[in-house]
Amino acid sequence: GQSLEQPSEVTAVEGAIVQINCTYQTSGFYGLSWYQQHDGGAPTFLSYNGLDGLEEKGRFSSFLSRSKGYSYLLLKELQMKDSASYLCAVMDSNYQLIWGAGTKLIIKP
Amino acid sequence: NAGVTQTPKFRVLKTGQSMTLLCAQDMNHEYMYWYRQDPGMGLRLIHYSVGEGTTAKGEVPDGYNVSRLKKQNFLLGLESAAPSQTSVYFCASSFREGGHEQYFGPGTRLTVT
Repeated sequence: GQSLEQPSEVTAVEGAIVQINCTYQTSGFYGLSWYQQHDGGAPTFLSYNGLDGLEEKGRFSSFLSRSKGYSYLLLKELQMKDSASYLCAVMDSNYQLIWGAGTKLIIKP
Repeated sequence: NAGVTQTPKFRVLKTGQSMTLLCAQDMNHEYMYWYRQDPGMGLRLIHYSVGEGTTAKGEVPDGYNVSRLKKQNFLLGLESAAPSQTSVYFCASSFREGGHEQYFGPGTRLTVT
């Protein structure tokens, strides 16, 4: 079967660093993407990891370990506008995205 | 550029009624997708298209039909709506080589009573 697991909710403090994890089991693997989705809004693309290691984009970084079936999204210098759900998605052997249920990030002042 | 647009934004249907959701993109993307999003679940692919005139089934195609007569448009039809089809529907598009980076429309919130 195919599955992606993410924590349903994570809480952090404004200005701090938070890590959101994603573990996966899929038939075939052609990369993992992270998306941000604000309440009532559409998912927007954040990052993509095709190979093992860390990809950095400003305050956001994403890490991938293919051998462990594991990825995380790291958000630094948290701002209130970062309050949203974060979705991980794996591209499978059919070149389709398989999505996790998302992690709701709650930021406290 | 408008990106990806969807109409309508909201709709309420009675069981058994039919409707068509329209998706349009102005980015010249080859691939287009229809997803549904339900609480506590990940996005699920309904149908997709890899080019004008082509369509294929995704994970949850039953009860839906699609057409892609023009490259920029992708239509999703519900022939006989059921309460289980109450959901938020998202259209997305991508370049052929960039399926991991999809651009989403604002969504259609559909309620079937």
